[in-house]
Amino acid sequence: EVQLLESGGGLVQPGGSLGLSCAASGFTFSTYAMSWVRQAPGKGLEWVSTINFSGGTTYYADSVMGRFTISRDSSKNTLSLQMNGLRAEDTAVYYCARSYDSTGDYFDYWGQGTLLTVSS
Amino acid sequence: QLVLTQSPSVSASLGASVKLTCTLSSGHSRYAIAWHQQQPEKGPRYLMKLNSDGSHSKGDGIPDRFSGSSSGAERYLTISSLQSEDEADYYCQTWGTGIQVFGGGTKLTVL
Repeated sequence: EVQLLESGGGLVQPGGSLGLSCAASGFTFSTYAMSWVRQAPGKGLEWVSTINFSGGTTYYADSVMGRFTISRDSSKNTLSLQMNGLRAEDTAVYYCARSYDSTGDYFDYWGQGTLLTVSS
Repeated sequence: QLVLTQSPSVSASLGASVKLTCTLSSGHSRYAIAWHQQQPEKGPRYLMKLNSDGSHSKGDGIPDRFSGSSSGAERYLTISSLQSEDEADYYCQTWGTGIQVFGGGTKLTVL
């Protein structure tokens, strides 16, 4: 059974940093692209970032480019998101999602999310 | 620009059928999409991938009550024999090289 379990959310002051993790199990992690998607309170889904199967290619939404860094550790089956220069508008539930293929196709599995609140 | 447009809300009666629409932006009518369901206070759940020719492949455990179809730039999700647990937000998603796009979501209310 595919499982994605996010962790690391919390309360951070504006301008601060935080790292999120997603522990993957139930599939061969190293052969799938992975992504982060967020959902601000009461809003829809917003794509944040994607990393291909090898970690050699990454993509970012314009809203986080230069502030967020996606990475993966296939030895630990873990996806990460390092977030710097946090803003109030980054407040959201962050979901980890698996792509159907190795390069970044549609999402076929989702985690339950972890909440980030950016506030002073 | 790759954009997906969804109606904000729809309602239908218990046991009835409902058809949700996702519209691709001009010039992108041949793109495939995926449908996702998000029940209240839960993470999203993948329902199906839907191609421009109407063929679709569903996720694990998705009931036969859920089906997809296409016409031009429109992608549809039909839910038949509506049940109370179908009350949820439904999002369509499409993708290109280095980009993922979501529609704004449709809130389905089951009366």
